[in-house]
Amino acid sequence: QQQVKQSPQSLIVQKGGIPIINCAYENTAFDYFPWYQQFPGKGPALLIAIRPDVSEKKEGRFTISFNKSAKQFSLHIMDSQPGDSATYFCAASMQAAGNKLTFGGGTRVLVKP
Amino acid sequence: DVKVTQSSRYLVKRTGEKVFLECVQDMDHENMFWYRQDPGLGLRLIYFSYDVKMKEKGDIPEGYSVSREKKERFSLILESASTNQTSMYLCASRPPGQGWSGELFFGEGSRLTVL
Repeated sequence: QQQVKQSPQSLIVQKGGIPIINCAYENTAFDYFPWYQQFPGKGPALLIAIRPDVSEKKEGRFTISFNKSAKQFSLHIMDSQPGDSATYFCAASMQAAGNKLTFGGGTRVLVKP
Repeated sequence: DVKVTQSSRYLVKRTGEKVFLECVQDMDHENMFWYRQDPGLGLRLIYFSYDVKMKEKGDIPEGYSVSREKKERFSLILESASTNQTSMYLCASRPPGQGWSGELFFGEGSRLTVL
């Protein structure tokens, strides 16, 4: 049973397009929602993160939108570039459970030149 | 620079063999984790350790054990490897305490194939 559901599994966009990755969670006790980016042959690395008291957060071309009532959050990659081609994981954690991260299934994004 | 090193990038083992996956971090982090990564399932937590000699089961501990004799080293052990343990294994560490940003620092992974 996955507590964090991520979609789609894969995504292909043209350079300059805006890939959107969606995640949904069940447990309302989650209080921290990071996104990780993984390039082939590398381990995941923290990209951006949000807390549920904020509806949107931007870092460079990456934006997280958070909808607490719907228990959903999404990652938008603005003006996507071929170098953004990677696998993206959403995750959630709760302080009450020692901040252990629960990951979504991952989305492989390919940005074509 | 932050560094988590997994000693073996690729391993091929036979069913029933004992397998050791080693992980070393140089950041003096107290918390260390072992995940396995499978397509469509994301990263699933196997075991974690909040300090030396301490270990806690994650979501999928069956068939695995761990050892943390020194702060910088966290080992994952497959007592008797099975084909369903063929996977990518990722080690991670993080600093403890309040104000933790949520950031896990991952190694590059160990791809294990069990024949």
